[in-house]
Amino acid sequence: EAQVTQNPRYLITVTGKKLTVTCSQNMNHEYMSWYRQDPGLGLRQIYYSMNVEVTDKGDVPEGYKVSRKEKRNFPLILESPSPNQTSLYFCASSHGTGEETQYFGPGTRLLVL
Amino acid sequence: GENVEQHPSTLSVQEGDSAVIKCTYSDSASNYFPWYKQELGKGPQLIIDIRSNVGEKKDQRIAVTLNKTAKHFSLHITETQPEDSAVYFCAANPGYSSASKIIFGSGTRLSIRP
Repeated sequence: EAQVTQNPRYLITVTGKKLTVTCSQNMNHEYMSWYRQDPGLGLRQIYYSMNVEVTDKGDVPEGYKVSRKEKRNFPLILESPSPNQTSLYFCASSHGTGEETQYFGPGTRLLVL
Repeated sequence: GENVEQHPSTLSVQEGDSAVIKCTYSDSASNYFPWYKQELGKGPQLIIDIRSNVGEKKDQRIAVTLNKTAKHFSLHITETQPEDSAVYFCAANPGYSSASKIIFGSGTRLSIRP
């Protein structure tokens, strides 16, 4: 089944404790992206990647890191989480650029205390 | 940069009636406008999209219209059904200068009253 998977689905952590949210797709997509969803703000892009070893900032990259060492994986790293990073996070992938259908993962709900 | 505004933020319609959600964008170079539906506890899913060389597109009960001059586009759902209840997001791709970015609206929570 073609899909985007994210782990963990739910995470509670404390300020400053490094964490990684994994994202994997099995559709051989070149493009992958991370979004955060907050009430009243919609989906805001954090980082995206056009292909292996190619990443770029979205609209809200501060406090986040990403890497794209393999085509299928695109982990999101929070080196020192803060409470304002409490949010619902989505990974997405698509063929080519952002002008194609994006397939979203199920989401990761993060609470930073 | 591109800015996408979406209205209304909440919408309640009687089952069988039509629902309309409107979005405006700021970057005239934007050329791709998808609409996503997000059901409770799930990730968004594309339901329809339109490109800047087309004024209208239909898919069964769903249609999208685009007015490039006014820089706005709308989602129309006819004969609404309970399963249409969800959050809907419009989005715009800022065009050649940032082809890989996509800017989403703030979302519309649609409720269908039985």
